[in-house]
Amino acid sequence: DSGVTQTPKHLITATGQRVTLRCSPRSGDLSVYWYQQSLDQGLQFLIQYYNGEERAKGNILERFSAQQFPDLHSELNLSSLELGDSALYFCASSPRQALGHYNEQFFGPGTRLTVL
Amino acid sequence: GIQVEQSPPDLILQEGANSTLRCNFSDSVNNLQWFHQNPWGQLINLFYIPSGTKQNGRLSATTVATERYSLLYISSSQTTDSGVYFCAVEYGGTYKYIFGTGTRLKVLA
Repeated sequence: DSGVTQTPKHLITATGQRVTLRCSPRSGDLSVYWYQQSLDQGLQFLIQYYNGEERAKGNILERFSAQQFPDLHSELNLSSLELGDSALYFCASSPRQALGHYNEQFFGPGTRLTVL
Repeated sequence: GIQVEQSPPDLILQEGANSTLRCNFSDSVNNLQWFHQNPWGQLINLFYIPSGTKQNGRLSATTVATERYSLLYISSSQTTDSGVYFCAVEYGGTYKYIFGTGTRLKVLA
């Protein structure tokens, strides 16, 4: 158990719908990362937050958005869902991270999203 | 952007055999981790190893940052080692991990 929690574990929804995935980082970790794992694209970085602020952005679609709240949990919002959004979505966290310093990332169990 | 290549893509072993998995990257990295994704999809941290050598039980890893590669050694493999092994690198102050395509390992009893 990495200490990172994600809910829900599984989510089945229809095209055009909107869903919210939730992540709680390890106690004390300030950084949260979101990744998408699909069969054809592999594991891809989406976005990172550090202490409530967006720090880095990857291949995140405009239909997707995220935020990190004052209690450090994070939510990933996916809207206007398409069949191709079906994937495993991972959240990871890492400790306090001053600029220029890098730390190990710990991954949650993932949320498996199926869009029908 | 940086390219991360892993080899071999697939590996089948008999229980008890040893193996070496390789991760090559095309640019200098700040950070490198090895993960095992088990059949249930969970990503398990194996090593945080931007440089040097580490060992943990039957597993060990070496990263030679100047030559842009990392190796993961699995000795006396067990069926529970089956799954996909990923290396992931962080580079250029980007704070994001770029994952390799993985090595799919199957250990036969």
